[in-house]
Amino acid sequence: NAGVMQNPRHLVRRRGQEARLRCSPMKGHSHVYWYRQLPEEGLKFMVYLQKENIIDESGMPKERFSAEFPKEGPSILRIQQVVRGDSAAYFCASSPGGGMNTEAFFGQGTRLTVV
Amino acid sequence: AQSVTQPDIHITVSEGASLELRCNYSYGATPYLFWYVQSPGQGLQLLLKYFSGDTLVQGIKGFEAEFKRSQSSFNLRKPSVHWSDAAEYFCAVGAGNQGGKLIFGQGTELSVKP
Repeated sequence: NAGVMQNPRHLVRRRGQEARLRCSPMKGHSHVYWYRQLPEEGLKFMVYLQKENIIDESGMPKERFSAEFPKEGPSILRIQQVVRGDSAAYFCASSPGGGMNTEAFFGQGTRLTVV
Repeated sequence: AQSVTQPDIHITVSEGASLELRCNYSYGATPYLFWYVQSPGQGLQLLLKYFSGDTLVQGIKGFEAEFKRSQSSFNLRKPSVHWSDAAEYFCAVGAGNQGGKLIFGQGTELSVKP
């Protein structure tokens, strides 16, 4: 059973370009969470999705960031018109359910560098 | 508001010595608590978790943690550190009622001296 797969592992974008980060959850998992880790900081929750639904986006910046988890295919975190401050590691986690006693499994992350 | 504090940003211990990493949380109800380890350039691996029951929790790689409600703490311990334990360690608390929504501390970087 493959773990949570994120790609690409490293992504370089010029200011103003779009970044698309992909996350394939573990088999059988229908709940996906995105986190951002800025340099020298812990992970910060961004958004929680189930298939075709955004459940909690309380941690998402109001502009330029969006996320989706379609019925088929991976979850996508999209950052439009990237700026230097978007440089960070973005982690995806998945879980089989949404209850509080459910363990979430993390991917290896996508390291975004904006130049 | 819920929060997690890891007071030590960086700790250095000698190989074979004991280790304790501190974690304090702020949470209104019974917390769900986690310790994760992150090696450089890698994702997070769950070491152990506390949901309920016995307050001393055993995890992988010889780690354990003790939940102390009176002190709002969930410190991570290991009796004898190995060089391969050098990594960053994150304490986290479950937020709200969503299993994968976690509030993380800032992390403690562990260095191991030979």
